[in-house]
Amino acid sequence: GDSVTQMEGPVTLSEEAFLTINCTYTATGYPSLFWYVQYPGEGLQLLLKATKADDKGSNKGFEATYRKETTSFHLEKGSVQVSDSAVYFCALAKGGDKIIFGKGTRLHILP
Amino acid sequence: GAVVSQHPSWVICKSGTSVKIECRSLDFQATTMFWYRQFPKQSLMLMATSNEGSKATYEQGVEKDKFLINHASLTLSTLTVTSAHPEDSSFYICSVLDSNNEKLFFGSGTQLSVL
Repeated sequence: GDSVTQMEGPVTLSEEAFLTINCTYTATGYPSLFWYVQYPGEGLQLLLKATKADDKGSNKGFEATYRKETTSFHLEKGSVQVSDSAVYFCALAKGGDKIIFGKGTRLHILP
Repeated sequence: GAVVSQHPSWVICKSGTSVKIECRSLDFQATTMFWYRQFPKQSLMLMATSNEGSKATYEQGVEKDKFLINHASLTLSTLTVTSAHPEDSSFYICSVLDSNNEKLFFGSGTQLSVL
């Protein structure tokens, strides 16, 4: 069945470091791909999305490119801040099917 | 094993009837649960935040009289879609904030189809 795999972490970085959180997926057809962020004590927020191959989603300095050839949607940011500390979820959704989440990656940014 | 149990997985109902969806936290007591709605191939929409022992906090545009949320215990939150109409057909997904308020765990979702 369809699935999403991402590194669980925790990932600990210093402020201004480069961030990559890997996400790969298994799915038939052409899913939409998402990154969600969960700040401490809060619910999910959509961070960015891509709906077709080679699309790049971007928001708040974060980027992810839909790579069909490698079935990946890695999240990147060039210079992280302490305020980026959160849990990041990769997800996929197909028309008519429910959204499927990865297990989430906890990110800690040290000042 | 599953941390969050959501039931039922799917339900078909007639227009005008009410449907109750349950979300149970299996491994820990959950003060806070969230209810989301998802349209096909779209992102999740947060409907409300459910807090044990108090009234739910609804997001703007969500009708609280139509989507009744009850969080009567630390392990159970329910969403009742009252007087359902075809436009209420959607996936409804709950999530539970862990005991450290650090990470979300998701239910498996409920597909509601209103005829």
